[in-house]
Amino acid sequence: ETGVTQTPRHLVMGMTNKKSLKCEQHLGHNAMYWYKQSAKKPLELMFVYNFKEQTENNSVPSRFSPECPNSSHLFLHLHTLQPEDSALYLCASSQEGTRASYEQYFGPGTRLTVT
Amino acid sequence: RKEVEQDPGPFNVPEGATVAFNCTYSNSASQSFFWYRQDCRKEPKLLMSVYSSGNEDGRFTAQLNRASQYISLLIRDSKLSDSATYLCVVRGNQFYFGTGTSLTVIP
Repeated sequence: ETGVTQTPRHLVMGMTNKKSLKCEQHLGHNAMYWYKQSAKKPLELMFVYNFKEQTENNSVPSRFSPECPNSSHLFLHLHTLQPEDSALYLCASSQEGTRASYEQYFGPGTRLTVT
Repeated sequence: RKEVEQDPGPFNVPEGATVAFNCTYSNSASQSFFWYRQDCRKEPKLLMSVYSSGNEDGRFTAQLNRASQYISLLIRDSKLSDSATYLCVVRGNQFYFGTGTSLTVIP
């Protein structure tokens, strides 16, 4: 499998549930990202991992908890979410720290609905 | 002030038309620039990087003006399949995305 994959593609969860989103990149990149995209809004950066170390946390509520066990895998653990957290959650990866271009490549996203 | 600003449109153009999008960015130290395309309910996909000297890929031409801090995308001979939202992306210490410009190409 190539590129960036995400599972599940769709998720419906209640406010008291705990679930996890998974992302895997097959591009040999060293940086991975979580973004949130709500309807009619631009992408919002949530977390950045560079060489497995978290380098950005853009004031994301603690009900979202990221985990990066290695440079190819990224998780987003969800608990006690709110209906306003319903959105498309996108994972991306890029190669950082080289003279090559820094394009990000995105996974297909997980469409999350919180009921 | 937003890091990246785009006209959200929508742009509705007939097939075969030429259409141009502009994007401005606020951080003069920004390093890299890109245009992404996002179809409805899909992920953004890289359309092209934008180089200082300008670059062309088929019907698409991207230009960068560092002095005025804007990026442009020109699409010639529009196709129905070009209908999408076009995102301007600027990389400083992180990636900054514009809100996107919506394009609909009409038969």
